[in-house]
Amino acid sequence: DAGVTQSPTHLIKTRGQQVTLRCSPKSGHDTVSWYQQALGQGPQFIFQYYEEEERQRGNFPDRFSGHQFPNYSSELNVNALLLGDSALYLCASSFRRQSLHGYTFGSGTRLTVV
Amino acid sequence: GQQLNQSPQSMFIQEGEDVSMNCTSSSIFNTWLWYKQDPGEGPVLLIALYKAGELTSNGRLTAQFGITRKDSFLNISASIPSDVGIYFCAGPNTGGFKTIFGAGTRLFVKA
Repeated sequence: DAGVTQSPTHLIKTRGQQVTLRCSPKSGHDTVSWYQQALGQGPQFIFQYYEEEERQRGNFPDRFSGHQFPNYSSELNVNALLLGDSALYLCASSFRRQSLHGYTFGSGTRLTVV
Repeated sequence: GQQLNQSPQSMFIQEGEDVSMNCTSSSIFNTWLWYKQDPGEGPVLLIALYKAGELTSNGRLTAQFGITRKDSFLNISASIPSDVGIYFCAGPNTGGFKTIFGAGTRLFVKA
């Protein structure tokens, strides 16, 4: 039973560029939440996708956008990259939006902006 | 907004020692979750607590849901080198659809 799969594992981009990160949720899960984890910090909620729509959003600018596909996989897009966007981006999956029983996390994508 | 404060920020202990860490909030949480993150990996759920006063164990780990609903504690007994990592407390916000994380407690175990 595959867990949450994220790609790529590492990425280096230049300021001002755009990036797309991908996530496949755990089998049986239909909800994907994206988190940003800066070095030495806890994960910060970016947004959540369920039924192909953004359902809830954290305090992140519009440069951060996403998409969910009919097979429940999801993409996170970041435009006009800033140095401060350098972080580990984590994808978490769950069932029917609920996080009361915890998420299943992927191993993350390490984004470095230079 | 809701925030979670974890202490201590880091701990350096000897193998075999017991460990205690806590998490507090200025607002009430109805569920407390404890995760562990190993280097290069995503967080993994260790324990979930759903009722004030609840005490739950998972092997050498024991966690408690504070009576005030504003705090939680995690204890690790007889630590071993593989306990090294970052321990996060977390809680779903009102509505349960978004989970808030603390900044973590970094545990270092010396063999």
